[in-house]
Amino acid sequence: DVKVTQSSRYLVKRTGEKVFLECVQDMDHENMFWYRQDPGLGLRLIYFSYDVKMKEKGDIPEGYSVSREKKERFSLILESASTNQTSMYLCASSLTGANYGYTFGSGTRLTVV
Amino acid sequence: AQSVTQPDIHITVSEGASLELRCNYSYGATPYLFWYVQSPGQGLQLLLKYFSGDTLVQGIKGFEAEFKRSQSSFNLRKPSVHWSDAAEYFCAVGPNNNAGNMLTFGGGTRLMVKP
Repeated sequence: DVKVTQSSRYLVKRTGEKVFLECVQDMDHENMFWYRQDPGLGLRLIYFSYDVKMKEKGDIPEGYSVSREKKERFSLILESASTNQTSMYLCASSLTGANYGYTFGSGTRLTVV
Repeated sequence: AQSVTQPDIHITVSEGASLELRCNYSYGATPYLFWYVQSPGQGLQLLLKYFSGDTLVQGIKGFEAEFKRSQSSFNLRKPSVHWSDAAEYFCAVGPNNNAGNMLTFGGGTRLMVKP
C-alpha cells in the first residue's frame, strides 16, 4: 500500500523554536506539497517541490522554508515558531500529471505555546 | 485561474437519508475533478475522480459524483448515509494536461450525521 508518512502526529513547541516537520513517501513521486489547514480556511499551500532540490512558494510561504535533498523526503521548517503557526500541517505527494491526484499523509497537529 | 466553491460549510443529515454535497468550479477547459474525505484528525483520502468519459463516476464507500459541464458542477452524492460518513469533504480541481498537476481545493463541507 502506497504511503505518505509524517513523522509526528502531534507536536508542542515553544515560541521562537526552530521546528522541523518531516514527510516521507514511498511511491517514487516527483511532486511533494505542504499545506496547512485551519478551521474555515480550508487547505492553504505553503510550498511545493517538483524535483530534488527544487522548491516553489505556494500561497502562504512567509515564516516557512523547505528542504528536499532526496526524492522521497520533503521537510517543512519553521525558522522561528510563532503562535499563529499553530495549525494542522498536511503533506501530500503526486506523480506528474493531473490525472493522478494527490496522496496525503495523516497530518501533524502543531501547537506553538 | 482555477477556483473551487463549496457553498455549504456545514450539512447535517439523518442516518439513512440521502446526501448531496455541492461543488462548483471555475476553469477554462474541462478540468480534472476530485473529491476527498477527511475523517477527524486524519489526512485526506481520495473518494473519486473524474477525467473524461461517463459523467457519473463511482467512488469508494458508496459515493458517486456527477460532472455537469453546463453548470460547472461536480456534486457528490450518496443514497443512504451512515454514521461513519461524518467527516469533512473537499472538492478539488486540476488542469487537464500533463504539464503540471497543481490542485485547487474548495473550502470544505463538514458533514454531521444524526442518529
